[in-house]
Amino acid sequence: SQTIHQWPATLVQPVGSPLSLECTVEGTSNPNLYWYRQAAGRGLQLLFYSVGIGQISSEVPQNLSASRPQDRQFILSSKKLLLSDSGFYLCAWSGDRASGNTIYFGEGSWLTVV
Amino acid sequence: GEDVEQSLFLSVREGDSSVINCTYTDSSSTYLYWYKQEPGAGLQLLTYIFSNMDMKQDQRLTVLLNKKDKHLSLRIADTQTGDSAIYFCAERYTNAGKSTFGDGTTLTVKP
Repeated sequence: SQTIHQWPATLVQPVGSPLSLECTVEGTSNPNLYWYRQAAGRGLQLLFYSVGIGQISSEVPQNLSASRPQDRQFILSSKKLLLSDSGFYLCAWSGDRASGNTIYFGEGSWLTVV
Repeated sequence: GEDVEQSLFLSVREGDSSVINCTYTDSSSTYLYWYKQEPGAGLQLLTYIFSNMDMKQDQRLTVLLNKKDKHLSLRIADTQTGDSAIYFCAERYTNAGKSTFGDGTTLTVKP
């Protein structure tokens, strides 16, 4: 069965420091991969999605970047964090039409920028 | 662009039925989803429905789809306190790389 892992689960970082959140998917090949941010426990904002290695689409201009160095690895980064980067970050993946193109989420990473 | 809307809050008594509603704008949607999010956790897929279906039932959950009105609902029978969570509606059309999510409905179940 497929599983998704993201880490760290909780992170407190000072303003101006770098960020790296990692996500890996197991049990599937060539998944679509996503990074979402959820502010204040409300709606999801799609930040990045990737349909293959090295292929990243950015949905909103921001202080963040994403990379996909391997088929099942997706990394969210920042060189210098801002206070407004605080939030709950969710990695997700989706497969093929046979699975209903359903998006499955990781457990999330809480980022607090202080 | 695509848009998905839900009411923000719903409160019910334990044992009653809950109905969470969602409207969407993209008539090309082929998959519609309901997710549940408990505090501090990721989103858990509850169920999904193909756009060529009107209804899907899974134990206490019933999903109704009205394509004409672009209206999706999730009914939870015999609602329990453990059902308290945020419920997200989402839509997707074939071959799209992404889904559009509503802002979530916070369901509060009172004993």
